[in-house]
Amino acid sequence: KAGVTQTPRYLIKTRGQQVTLSCSPISGHRSVSWYQQTPGQGLQFLFEYFSETQRNKGNFPGRFSGRQFSNSRSEMNVSTLELGDSALYLCASSNGQGGTEAFFGQGTRLTVV
Amino acid sequence: QKEVEQDPGPLSVPEGAIVSLNCTYSNSAFQYFMWYRQYSRKGPELLMYTYSSGNKEDGRFTAQVDKSSKYISLFIRDSQPSDSATYLCAILFTGKLIFGQGTTLQVKP
Repeated sequence: KAGVTQTPRYLIKTRGQQVTLSCSPISGHRSVSWYQQTPGQGLQFLFEYFSETQRNKGNFPGRFSGRQFSNSRSEMNVSTLELGDSALYLCASSNGQGGTEAFFGQGTRLTVV
Repeated sequence: QKEVEQDPGPLSVPEGAIVSLNCTYSNSAFQYFMWYRQYSRKGPELLMYTYSSGNKEDGRFTAQVDKSSKYISLFIRDSQPSDSATYLCAILFTGKLIFGQGTTLQVKP
């Protein structure tokens, strides 16, 4: 069974640009959550999508957005990048039924210069 | 006050030692408690989860939840160098995972 796939693995962007990250969940999983991991703040929840609808949202500014497609694949977009957006962005998939088992991808390492 | 507190360490132990990793949490409504392991440059991997209070054992790993003191523990018996990683406690609440800061563990041969 294939795991959670995130692309790209590494990205370098310039301040002010925008970026789109992609996540393909485990086959059959309908929930995709996104997390930001930084040395200072640790892992923080961004948002969750279930069946193409945002079901949950964390405390991040509106520059962070996402969407989910009918095949459960999800994308996350960050506009007007700031230096502080440099982080490891992780995607987790689960069956979404109050599921306790969330499986993480390897993440996308975003560096903003 | 953070919802989940975890000592970041680092924690260094000799091979074969028993390791104790701990977290405290603030909200008595929390019911689902997880432990994740994260190797360098990898995503977190779920080790174990516990619902409500009590113990759960899986091989060399034991997870313990004490709801009266809002305390979560992970014990690793007979620790191995391959256990060297960052261990994250997490709580599943209202559909999102709330993570502790993570404890970096090094097991020396």
